[in-house]
Parts: sequence; structure tokens; C-alpha cells
Amino acid sequence: DIQMTQSPSSLSASVGDRVTITCRSSQTIDTYVNWYQQIPGKAPKLLIYAASSLQSGVPSRFRGSVSGTDFTLSISNLQPEDFATYYCQQSYSPLWTFGQGTKVEIK
Amino acid sequence: QVQLQQWGAGLLKPSETLSLTCSVHGGSFSGYYWSWIRQPPGKGLEWIGEIKDTRNINYNPSLKSRVTLSIDTSKNQFSLRLRSVTAADTAVYYCARRFGGVWNGSYNRFFDYWGPGIPVTVSS
Repeated sequence: DIQMTQSPSSLSASVGDRVTITCRSSQTIDTYVNWYQQIPGKAPKLLIYAASSLQSGVPSRFRGSVSGTDFTLSISNLQPEDFATYYCQQSYSPLWTFGQGTKVEIK
Repeated sequence: QVQLQQWGAGLLKPSETLSLTCSVHGGSFSGYYWSWIRQPPGKGLEWIGEIKDTRNINYNPSLKSRVTLSIDTSKNQFSLRLRSVTAADTAVYYCARRFGGVWNGSYNRFFDYWGPGIPVTVSS
């Protein structure tokens, strides 16, 4: 299995802040990482695919990047609707696995 | 616009069989992999398996011995059966479409449409 180690597990931030979430894969997986946002009580929503491509309709303040096996989701100018839990997911090997999640809370 | 609708029993006793169905409305049904993903209370996401047709089915090895996925292309529906459930199977179960193909010039795979989720509780 490819393990996705996500950090931090939670963070507190204020509206307007910039936050960064990281996922490290247990092996090289090219750019096969997606990022999802989950609001409590709702299904996850695709934000970023292929490490850095923005899904249609997703605001440009969300940005994905990759360096080796380290994948990063950045959210600039944090908005009230961005307070949620974020998950990375590897799409390299068909035992699709997710990171443990990062809960972004209001400071 | 693709919409996924789920239904099935939400309360089970240990050793019973979980049975859920997902119906797809809008868009194309054939040619995609259709997945089941679950989320235990307060925890992360676990992929259960996916089905494209009767010959193309992938399972999470950790659940493979208890899981059966099936598909009815005439109704645009797919189903999950999980046998011998225990309290550890208590979770919200989501169905989702897994896109796999060329998107914006390169090959990509991602879950782009999700059902609303069904909470399933296993308790005696």
C-alpha cells in the first residue's frame, strides 16, 4: 500500500491568513495526488487533481504543489467557508489511499 | 450534472450483511469506475472498492474477503454488500465516481462526484 502521511492534523487560523497542508507519500508517485475538502456532514469535494491542477469552479486561492514525494495544499486569503477538513489522496496505485486529514479551524 | 443517490439499511446487528445501492443520474454511466468509500465517526476516508463492469472490479485487500460489488448498467446503479459486519464497520458510506482518463492534456484519476453518504451503525 502507498501510505499518505498528512500534517498537521489540525491548525487554527484567521480569516485572511495563508495556510499550508502537507502530504508525504511512502514512495514516488509522480504527480498522482488529489486534494479534497470536507465540510462536516457533507461528502468530500474535489479541489485539486494531479497535484496542482485546479478543479473547475474552485477558487484560485487554493493551490497545489509537489516536490519529490512531498505534496502541498496552500490556501491563501482564508475565507469563512474554507474552515473544513482537507484530505490528500494518491491516485497512482489502485488501492486508493487518503491522508489522515487536516482540520482547519477558526482561531 | 451528475448526481448520485444512495439508499440502504442504516442499522445492523453484528454478523449481518450491509447492503447499499447507489443510483447515478445524469452524465454517462458506462466507462467509469464507481467506488465505495467509508468514513468511521470522527476518522478519515477508507476506499472499499470500485467496479466498472463485471470483469473490472478492484477491492481493498483489507476488506476483500467480505465485500462484493455488483453493477446494473440497465438501471445505472451499483451496489455494495459487506458480510459479517462488526462495530468496526460503523461508518458513513459514500458512493463516488472515479474519473480515469485524459483530462486537460494528461492522464488523471480522481473522485469527482460523490453521493451524500449514508450513516451505517452496527450495534447489538
